Amino acid sequence: SQQGEEDPQALSIQEGENATMNCSYKTSINNLQWYRQNSGRGLVHLILIRSNEREKHSGRLRVTLDTSKKSSSLLITASRAADTASYFCATDASPSSYKLIFGSGTRLLVRP
Amino acid sequence: EPEVTQTPSHQVTQMGQEVILRCVPISNHLYFYWYRQILGQKVEFLVSFYNNEISEKSEIFDDQFSVERPDGSNFTLKIRSTKLEDSAMYFCASSDPDREIGTGELFFGEGSRLTVL
Repeated sequence: SQQGEEDPQALSIQEGENATMNCSYKTSINNLQWYRQNSGRGLVHLILIRSNEREKHSGRLRVTLDTSKKSSSLLITASRAADTASYFCATDASPSSYKLIFGSGTRLLVRP
Repeated sequence: EPEVTQTPSHQVTQMGQEVILRCVPISNHLYFYWYRQILGQKVEFLVSFYNNEISEKSEIFDDQFSVERPDGSNFTLKIRSTKLEDSAMYFCASSDPDREIGTGELFFGEGSRLTVL
């Protein structure tokens, strides 16, 4: 399959701490995206990083991409209780195929 | 802000029955998708649809499944002869790919929860 695994599967931190989630994949990609899913809800796009980029920031989010290791990480700084959700990475193999393949996700719990 | 809408939010059906899940994608998007998420598991690609035909489908998307764009706004997923293992959350999504960005951001609906008894 195109997608690998994310780790950790679950992460519990205290409000104010940083949360780091990792994603690995198997094939060449055009870009990699991160999505958030609140329990029982739809997925919401957070950030996209292209294959020629190494790092990208958006507010409290920092994403890195290492294409040589086929891995990415999502860092959420100064976490809040409202950040509690599942986080998924998704790879885009376009233009060979216009779809996203999602990883298994990390369940983040931020304790107040 | 434009959004993807899905109906019904929850459907309960008996094994062997047919189910139709409906979606209204964002109007100027060109690609439409169905994904499935079994409770607590990963989000799995089922099918993509472009220019009124299936662009790509996964191994999950067998003859039991079909998709249709019956008019200019709706996009449907039909599941024939449902099985217990079809119980899942089904998400519709749409995107506006281009050669520079690729698939781009997927906009997801809130999902339709299917329970097969």
